[in-house]
Amino acid sequence: ETGVTQTPRHLVMGMTNKKSLKCEQHLGHNAMYWYKQSAKKPLELMFVYSLEERVENNSVPSRFSPECPNSSHLFLHLHTLQPEDSALYLCASSQEAGEVDEQFFGPGTRLTVL
Amino acid sequence: DAKTTQPPSMDCAEGRAANLPCNHSTISGNEYVYWYRQIHSQGPQYIIHGLKNNETNEMASLIITEDRKSSTLILPHATLRDTAVYYCIVRAEGSQGNLIFGKGTKLSVKP
Repeated sequence: ETGVTQTPRHLVMGMTNKKSLKCEQHLGHNAMYWYKQSAKKPLELMFVYSLEERVENNSVPSRFSPECPNSSHLFLHLHTLQPEDSALYLCASSQEAGEVDEQFFGPGTRLTVL
Repeated sequence: DAKTTQPPSMDCAEGRAANLPCNHSTISGNEYVYWYRQIHSQGPQYIIHGLKNNETNEMASLIITEDRKSSTLILPHATLRDTAVYYCIVRAEGSQGNLIFGKGTKLSVKP
């Protein structure tokens, strides 16, 4: 499998549930990203990881907890979410963070919080 | 906030060139112009980027004005599959990958 993959593609969860989103990149990249795309709002950068270390956290609530166990995998752990957290969550990767290169995006996970 | 201004929507006839404008009047000398597109229900896709010179690849051409305050993305022969939201983004090297997306231009390619 090539490129950036995300699982699950769709997720429905209650406000008391705990779930995790998974992202995997098969491109040999060193940087990975989480973005959030809410309805009718631009994509928002949430987290940036470079060589498995978090280098940016854009004021994201603590109910979103990222994890990067290695440079190929990125997780977003979710707990006690709110209905307004319903959105498309996109993962991306690039060769290096901060370099002038393209980011490759996954297909996203469509999250609905009831 | 995004540092670019784009028209919210444009139409283009299939087979014709699609010219998508972008204003970035406050662009700094070290900022690149990037274009991405997002087809409905998919992740964004990189198209092209440039600093000063015009650029061309297999997908599109990027024309940057001499003062760098605006640019145009050209899809030379638009197809129905080019219907998407196109994002123009300015980004400096070393900004830790911060792509700040605006609202983009919704391009509709019609038969």
